[in-house]
Amino acid sequence: KQEVTQIPAALSVPEGENLVLNCSFTDSAIYNLQWFRQDPGKGLTSLLLIQSSQREQTSGRLNASLDKSSGRSTLYIAASQPGDSATYLCAVVAGFNKFYFGSGTKLNVKP
Amino acid sequence: SQTIHQWPATLVQPVGSPLSLECTVEGTSNPNLYWYRQAAGRGLQLLFYSVGIGQISSEVPQNLSASRPQDRQFILSSKKLLLSDSGFYLCAWSVQAGSYNEQFFGPGTRLTVL
Repeated sequence: KQEVTQIPAALSVPEGENLVLNCSFTDSAIYNLQWFRQDPGKGLTSLLLIQSSQREQTSGRLNASLDKSSGRSTLYIAASQPGDSATYLCAVVAGFNKFYFGSGTKLNVKP
Repeated sequence: SQTIHQWPATLVQPVGSPLSLECTVEGTSNPNLYWYRQAAGRGLQLLFYSVGIGQISSEVPQNLSASRPQDRQFILSSKKLLLSDSGFYLCAWSVQAGSYNEQFFGPGTRLTVL
């Protein structure tokens, strides 16, 4: 069974710092990996999707990488801002449209 | 553009009462639909998913059921709520094109069972 782990569980950084969030998965037979952001009491917002044939995707200050062979993905956030404070979740897609989620990294960016 | 709606936004129900949560998607056809539950401070638990009308797959044995009466409508139900059913319920949709399969979430329903 696919298991997804996110480290660290929580992270607090000063504004302006570059940071990396980690996601690991146990079964490399995935179709896609998707990163989400969740604000308190809200639904999930899709940030980036990396297909299994891709190595990375970029959107603004966000860059996500994927190494299928090692079962790892990272989300890089450049020049962090207080508005980036949220919980970040990764999910891998494996057969029959099933998404497996990590438990998330709660990010706090201090002004 | 595609939009996903969930209602109600919040719900407080007594133990033993029935439940019906509704999710509808606009702007897409034949989506895959999902129900998740998120307990406080925890990750998402997949409850049900559906690849078409009347087709429901259950992931976890529980006090809940799901139905898909129309292509873009997904309903989560219970005949008798338990305290453990409290949580944040999220509906999601995805459309698969080859190996590309991106998921989009609704705003969620906060359910408190007292």
